[in-house]
Amino acid sequence: GAVVSQHPSWVICKSGTSVKIECRSLDFQATTMFWYRQFPKQSLMLMATSNEGSKATYEQGVEKDKFLINHASLTLSTLTVTSAHPEDSSFYICSARAPGVRTEAFFGQGTRLTVV
Amino acid sequence: AQSVAQPEDQVNVAEGNPLTVKCTYSVSGNPYLFWYVQYPNRGLQFLLKYITGDNLVKGSYGFEAEFNKSQTSFHLKKPSALVSDSALYFCAVRAYSGAGSYQLTFGKGTKLSVIP
Repeated sequence: GAVVSQHPSWVICKSGTSVKIECRSLDFQATTMFWYRQFPKQSLMLMATSNEGSKATYEQGVEKDKFLINHASLTLSTLTVTSAHPEDSSFYICSARAPGVRTEAFFGQGTRLTVV
Repeated sequence: AQSVAQPEDQVNVAEGNPLTVKCTYSVSGNPYLFWYVQYPNRGLQFLLKYITGDNLVKGSYGFEAEFNKSQTSFHLKKPSALVSDSALYFCAVRAYSGAGSYQLTFGKGTKLSVIP
């Protein structure tokens, strides 16, 4: 299947700093990428839909100024957690779909963010 | 609105026995159904999908799923469980509702434990 690479796999940062997470589709062009957050022993919560060349669409309750999403190219989307706080600590996962109605989404390996 | 229900938080099965992980869905229009598996601190791996055609879908690692429209179910099955199948399994649904609308909705996940 297609490969989606997410980096870094884990990061520890100090409260108040910003952290950038990258999501790349390695062997296909992804016009749409998705960012999820997963709490322990829970399902994936969609945070936002990232569209290449346009502003991301955020789900209700997700602060767009805190979680900045940039989809600058067809193979790269970034999520920046600004002014991170301990409650932002979580597992963040991106996914991307190849063009086409019937294609499945492929997921990155996830990023474990710990804010201390 | 679309939704997915995975009624079991955990399924325990002995190695070599058949396994079933249940999933029911609700969606307007034709459903696109997916199963993903997640290992600890990892992203999701695609197992199989139903788009159209044969109700029995075969996927990776010997898994299969049966689409039942009348019962709105898409249960995941495997004839003989392996210890290495122990993981968290997510069912997901998507409805094609027009251009740009490819949002996946996930169930809460079912933890599968295969006992040696």
